Amino acid sequence: GAVVSQHPSRVICKSGTSVKIECRSLDFQATTMFWYRQFPKKSLMLMATSNEGSKATYEQGVEKDKFLINHASLTLSTLTVTSAHPEDSSFYICSARRQAGGTYEQYFGPGTRLTVT
Amino acid sequence: LAKTTQPISMDSYEGQEVNITCSHNNIATNDYITWYQQFPSQGPRFIIQGYKTKVTNEVASLFIPADRKSSTLSLPRVSLSDTAVYYCLVLTSNTGKLIFGQGTTLQVKP
Repeated sequence: GAVVSQHPSRVICKSGTSVKIECRSLDFQATTMFWYRQFPKKSLMLMATSNEGSKATYEQGVEKDKFLINHASLTLSTLTVTSAHPEDSSFYICSARRQAGGTYEQYFGPGTRLTVT
Repeated sequence: LAKTTQPISMDSYEGQEVNITCSHNNIATNDYITWYQQFPSQGPRFIIQGYKTKVTNEVASLFIPADRKSSTLSLPRVSLSDTAVYYCLVLTSNTGKLIFGQGTTLQVKP
């Protein structure tokens, strides 16, 4: 299957600082990527849709000024958590959409564990 | 977006076949059914995707009846390493959004 990477795999930062998470599709081009967050023992929650060359589309309740998304190329999307606070501590997962025949398949990265102290 | 319903948990034993059924009553004509497996602290792993009838790959089979209002993921001869959460999702081709439900926690026992 297709490979999606994330960097870093885990990060610890101090409250008030910003953290950038990278998501790359390694063996295919992805015009659309998605960002999720997951709390312990909970399901994934979609945060936003990242479109190459255009603004991201955020789900209801997700602050676009806090979670900055940039999709500068067909293989890279970044999520920046600005002015992070302890409640932003979570598991962040990206996914990339790949065209497959008449439809699409979606592949997920390994996730990034963010801990804000 | 079509909502999915699946059992919260299932138990099985090594070597058995496991079937997890998911209902998606309001699936639309252009939607596909897709299944993922997730281990703790990892991203979901794509298992299989289908539109109708039966799809089979090296790890699983997916059975979809004619009305497409449900689907069944079949895992042949499970092992302890198949213990994970399995998510059934409906993929809408135009938006590509995947909205996760609670998934099915499969526990495989020796």
